[in-house]
Amino acid sequence: GDSVTQMEGPVTLSEEAFLTINCTYTATGYPSLFWYVQYPGEGLQLLLKATKADDKGSNKGFEATYRKETTSFHLEKGSVQVSDSAVYFCALSTGNQFYFGTGTSLTVIP
Amino acid sequence: KAGVTQTPRYLIKTRGQQVTLSCSPISGHRSVSWYQQTPGQGLQFLFEYFSETQRNKGNFPGRFSGRQFSNSRSEMNVSTLELGDSALYLCASSLGRTATNEKLFFGSGTQLSVL
Repeated sequence: GDSVTQMEGPVTLSEEAFLTINCTYTATGYPSLFWYVQYPGEGLQLLLKATKADDKGSNKGFEATYRKETTSFHLEKGSVQVSDSAVYFCALSTGNQFYFGTGTSLTVIP
Repeated sequence: KAGVTQTPRYLIKTRGQQVTLSCSPISGHRSVSWYQQTPGQGLQFLFEYFSETQRNKGNFPGRFSGRQFSNSRSEMNVSTLELGDSALYLCASSLGRTATNEKLFFGSGTQLSVL
């Protein structure tokens, strides 16, 4: 069935370090892919999305490219800040429902 | 514009009881989805309602049920609570039915603890 597998955390980085959070998916058809972020005590917010192969989603310095050949949608940021500390969820939508990964907790230390 | 509102924020119940959670979507949004969030499991889809009709259901027992009212507000009910039902329950709304390009807006959730 459809599913998302993402890198387990927690991840701890120093400020200005490079971030990669891996995400791979299994899906029939042509899903859309998303990254959502959850700050402490809050619900999830859409960070970025890509709707077709080779699309690149970007927002707030974060980027992810929809790679159909490797079924991946890895999240990257060149220089993280303390304010990026949160839980990141990779997700796909097949049109009927959303499937979320288990989440990766990121802590950025000054 | 007000966001998605979930009430109550916290709930403590004992095994065997039942509970009702409420979700008010963003004004104009007609679709409401419910998710169970637990550490290590991530978000598990419960069900989606659109125009007062359940459109899709996840793999949860019949103890979990929901409904949607004509103003798009939704309630979720869990009967005969079990310890394993302890979780953060998230509600998400969207303008239309879940589609590949649809964006979900989440509430802050209801934290349910079953003792």
